[in-house]
Parts: sequence; C-alpha cells; structure tokens
Amino acid sequence: AQSVTQLDSQVPVFEEAPVELRCNYSSSVSVYLFWYVQYPNQGLQLLLKYLSGSTLVKGINGFEAEFNKSQTSFHLRKPSVHISDTAEYFCAVKETSGSRLTFGEGTQLTVNP
Amino acid sequence: EPEVTQTPSHQVTQMGQEVILRCVPISNHLYFYWYRQILGQKVEFLVSFYNNEISEKSEIFDDQFSVERPDGSNFTLKIRSTKLEDSAMYFCASSEFTVVAFGSGTRLTVV
Repeated sequence: AQSVTQLDSQVPVFEEAPVELRCNYSSSVSVYLFWYVQYPNQGLQLLLKYLSGSTLVKGINGFEAEFNKSQTSFHLRKPSVHISDTAEYFCAVKETSGSRLTFGEGTQLTVNP
Repeated sequence: EPEVTQTPSHQVTQMGQEVILRCVPISNHLYFYWYRQILGQKVEFLVSFYNNEISEKSEIFDDQFSVERPDGSNFTLKIRSTKLEDSAMYFCASSEFTVVAFGSGTRLTVV
C-alpha cells in the first residue's frame, strides 16, 4: 500500500517570497504523483502531475515540482508567491496499476502582505 | 472547461436517515470516484467505479454505503442509515484514465 507524508502542516510566508512545500511518499510499485490545491470552501483543483518523463514538472499559477525517485519525494515550489496562493495544498500518489488516490495530510500555505 | 458537478452543496440530515449525494461526472470520463474529508483530516478514498461496477473500495466503504450510475450522466452515493461520524465533505471525482478531476463537494452534516 502507498502512503504520503507532507512534512509541514502550516507554512506562513510573506508575499513575493519563495516557497517549498515538502512531500514524501512510500510505495513498493511505480506511482504517479500529483499536487492539488483547495481554496477555502472549494473543491480540489489539480496543480500539476508527474506521470513519466522529465522529473521537473510545471503546473498552473507558476508552481513546479520535482520528482526525486531516490529520495521518494515530490516537493512543490514557487519562486514568488502571491496573497492569492493562500490555500491548502495536498500531495497525492496513485499506483500506476491502481485506481485510488492516496492523499497526504495537507499543508496550509498562508501568504502574508 | 468541463467540470464535475455535485448537488446539493450542503445537506443536513438526522441520524439514522438515508441520504443520497448526487454527481454529474465529466461526460467523456470512464472512471468515477467518491472521496470524503472529515473536518480537519485528510482526503480519504471511498470507492471507484468503472464499467458499471465497483472496481475498488476502501475499508471505510462498508455495507451502509452504495453507489449507482442510474443513467448515462449521474453518479450517486447512498448512505443507508447515517451516523454522526458520517459528517464530512464528500467529493465526487472522475477521470478518463489517470488524471482525476474533483467536484466542489457536498458538505454532509448529520445531527
């Protein structure tokens, strides 16, 4: 079975600062990796995905993530955050042969002026 | 952009009552899912549905839960006899293959 650990439950940053949200996963088989964002009172929106190929993937809103197989990590980064990036961010993993997504606990990103 | 639609957005029900949560997945998607998120906790997988049958279910998805695709567009989750601990946000989702799109959720409150 797969599992996901998001190492920080809350990350406060100032506007225009860089940010990294950390995610580690565990699985005995090949996986796909995802980051979803949840704005207050809304559903889950896909930010980016790693399916195969280049380990650096770019998503919406200027976010990117790097898949590191040896460290089983998929950290999310943005070089300069905006107030509007304040939201909960979820890392998720899916076995390539399976149907379920397994989510991490989530990281609340708060961008302060 | 096509999206997964869920109704209602909020539902309050009395303990022991049956509740049906409704969803319209994206039209060309083949796989359908239900997830739930208890307040303050992580998003948890309940069930996946493909080709008119359950393809996978979690340990949470016990006999009080059922899913149905009653026609070509709707996908429903039924909870037969609700308990207080069923209070959560329930997300419907669908996918063509790998990438899963989520609806905005139905907040279920059991009183």
